[in-house]
Amino acid sequence: ELKVEQNPLFLSMQEGKNYTIYCNYSTTSDRLYWYRQDPGKSLESLFVLLSNGAVKQEGRLMASLDTKARLSTLHITAAVHDLSATYFCAVAMFSGGYNKLIFGAGTRLAVHP
Amino acid sequence: EAGVAQSPRYKIIEKRQSVAFWCNPISGHATLYWYQQILGQGPKLLIQFQNNGVVDDSQLPKDRFSAERLKGVDSTLKIQPAKLEDSAVYLCASSLDPGGVFEQYFGPGTRLTVT
Repeated sequence: ELKVEQNPLFLSMQEGKNYTIYCNYSTTSDRLYWYRQDPGKSLESLFVLLSNGAVKQEGRLMASLDTKARLSTLHITAAVHDLSATYFCAVAMFSGGYNKLIFGAGTRLAVHP
Repeated sequence: EAGVAQSPRYKIIEKRQSVAFWCNPISGHATLYWYQQILGQGPKLLIQFQNNGVVDDSQLPKDRFSAERLKGVDSTLKIQPAKLEDSAVYLCASSLDPGGVFEQYFGPGTRLTVT
């Protein structure tokens, strides 16, 4: 059974600093997704990573995927308060002819002055 | 393009009562998903439909949960009878294809409180 682990689970960052969130998974997959969730809101898609070595960047966020290491990272550059949210990674598992997503527990990010 | 619609947004019921949630996916999306998100956790897939057929319901508590997707569009998720541990946000999502890029789009969710 596919397990997805994120760390850290909680992250308090100072504005302007850099940090990385890690997502490890237990079985082979070549598709990984990052979502953002604001309190009381639904999930917003940030990145779709479809192959080994894939790198995507949007603003202060950059995501990468290493399928051999079963690891994805979400790097935050020069954090700002607006990035405060919970970030989930989700790994696609192929089963019974269909893909389904297995989510990590999420990383709750708080950016403070 | 309209997103995934869900209703109601909030529901409070007593244990042993029944409740139903409704979802309308993005037009043209063949695949529909229901997730349960307990506070502080990631979403957990309950059931996945491809058109109006079930392709995965392995984590659906079938003694109390049921779901249907009539005509391959709208879907309803029902809980009967509800338990305290069913308190969660129920998210509906849809995707254009279950293979390919497989990006899922989520609705706003229904927050269920069972007292």
